[in-house]
Amino acid sequence: QITLKESGPTLVKPTETLTLTCTFSGFSLSTTGVGVGWIRQPPGKALEWLALVYWDDEKRYSPSLNSRLTITKDTSKNQVVLTMANMDPVDTATYYCARRPRRGEDFFDYWGQGTMVTVSS
Amino acid sequence: EIVMTQSPATLSVSPGERATLSCRASQSVNSKLAWYQQKPGQAPRLLIYGASTWATGIPARFSGSGSGTEFTLTISSLQSEDFGVYYCQQYSTRPPTFGPGTTVDIK
Repeated sequence: QITLKESGPTLVKPTETLTLTCTFSGFSLSTTGVGVGWIRQPPGKALEWLALVYWDDEKRYSPSLNSRLTITKDTSKNQVVLTMANMDPVDTATYYCARRPRRGEDFFDYWGQGTMVTVSS
Repeated sequence: EIVMTQSPATLSVSPGERATLSCRASQSVNSKLAWYQQKPGQAPRLLIYGASTWATGIPARFSGSGSGTEFTLTISSLQSEDFGVYYCQQYSTRPPTFGPGTTVDIK
């Protein structure tokens, strides 16, 4: 059974750095082709892809947020960490992590429940 | 970046009726198109990938078609549990991008 779960603060202040952790089970991030990504969704709005880390430690970022994002993996702990610097109220959203199942295809077959992050002073 | 659009924004359907949702890409994505369903307060669920391949456990009443820039998700006979927001996503070119969604609600 594949599961993913996001954890992190529910409230951050403007200009602070957000750190979110995705803890997963049922698959390995050392399996060829597998990746874990982050996607966010502001309240009432659409989904926005943020970042992906692949089994070979390649990393990809949203061009519009590239300078603010860092994604890392810890294969031994089955965790992926996303940091987003310089948070702003417009970054208020539910943040999801999800599995990318195989090489060459960046869609997401299993998702975490999401974690709501509010940016406010 | 490839821009995805979806139509209609809202679709009102009676249970048992057929629902047809459209998704368009600003340039060809070949068949690298996925569909997701999202219900209020829940994470998205993968329905279709490769434009027409069912994800695990997805009922056959959901079907996907299309290639290039025009895609369709059809729900052959809408069930009560099918109401929600449906998103398409292209993964032909990075960054992967999502459409704005189509809300399917009860007529």
